[in-house]
Amino acid sequence: GNSVTQMEGPVTLSEEAFLTINCTYTATGYPSLFWYVQYPGEGLQLLLKATKADDKGSNKGFEATYRKETTSFHLEKGSVQVSDSAVYFCALDTGKLIFGQGTTLQVKP
Amino acid sequence: DTGVSQDPRHKITKRGQNVTFRCDPISEHNRLYWYRQTLGQGPEFLTYFQNEAQLEKSRLLSDRFSAERPKGSFSTLEIQRTEQGDSAMYLCASSSGLAGYSSYNEQFFGPGTRLTVL
Repeated sequence: GNSVTQMEGPVTLSEEAFLTINCTYTATGYPSLFWYVQYPGEGLQLLLKATKADDKGSNKGFEATYRKETTSFHLEKGSVQVSDSAVYFCALDTGKLIFGQGTTLQVKP
Repeated sequence: DTGVSQDPRHKITKRGQNVTFRCDPISEHNRLYWYRQTLGQGPEFLTYFQNEAQLEKSRLLSDRFSAERPKGSFSTLEIQRTEQGDSAMYLCASSSGLAGYSSYNEQFFGPGTRLTVL
C-alpha cells in the first residue's frame, strides 16, 4: 500500500544551522509529493510540492527534490530561523493525501 | 476571510453522546475532504466528496461516523455514541478537481475541530 515515513523528531537546531528532514515513501505509480507545515496554533499549510521525478519544490528557503530511484523527498534548508519552529509533514497524493507522522523542529536563538 | 472554516473549534463531550462538526470550504472548490489527526501523528484520511457525492470512505470511518454534503457546499461530520478513542483533531480541506480524474489540486486546510471525549 501507499505510505510515508519521516525521520522521528524532535529536531533541535541553533539558528542558522542546516536542516534536513528525511522522508521516504512507498507508492504505486508516480504520485505528487508535498511538504506541509503546521505552526503552533495554526492549521496545515502547504510548504512546497513536486509533481514528477527530479522536480525540485522550493519555498521560503526550503527545498525538496523528488527522487524516484531512492523513493525520497527530503526537506532541506540552508539556514534555519527561530520562526521556522513548527511541525513538518511529508505527504503523497493518490487522490487523497497520505501523511507521514510529522517531525517537530525547534530552532533556538 | 475566504479560507476553509470549521465549527466548533473545540468540543468536549461525554462518552456515548453524539457530536456534529461543520466545515465550510472555499466557495469555488468542488472537492471536500475530512481527515483525523491524533496527537503526535499525521492526519489520516476519512472521506471525500466531489460536489454532493461521497466518492471514497476510509475503513477508519466506522458505522458510527457519517458525513454529508447535501448541496455540494458545506459538509457535516457526525459521530454517534462517541468513544474515548474518538478524541482527536478533525480536519477539513477543500480543493478544486475533476470527478474521476486523479490529479493534483492543492488542498487547503481549515483550523480543525478538536474533540475531547471524557
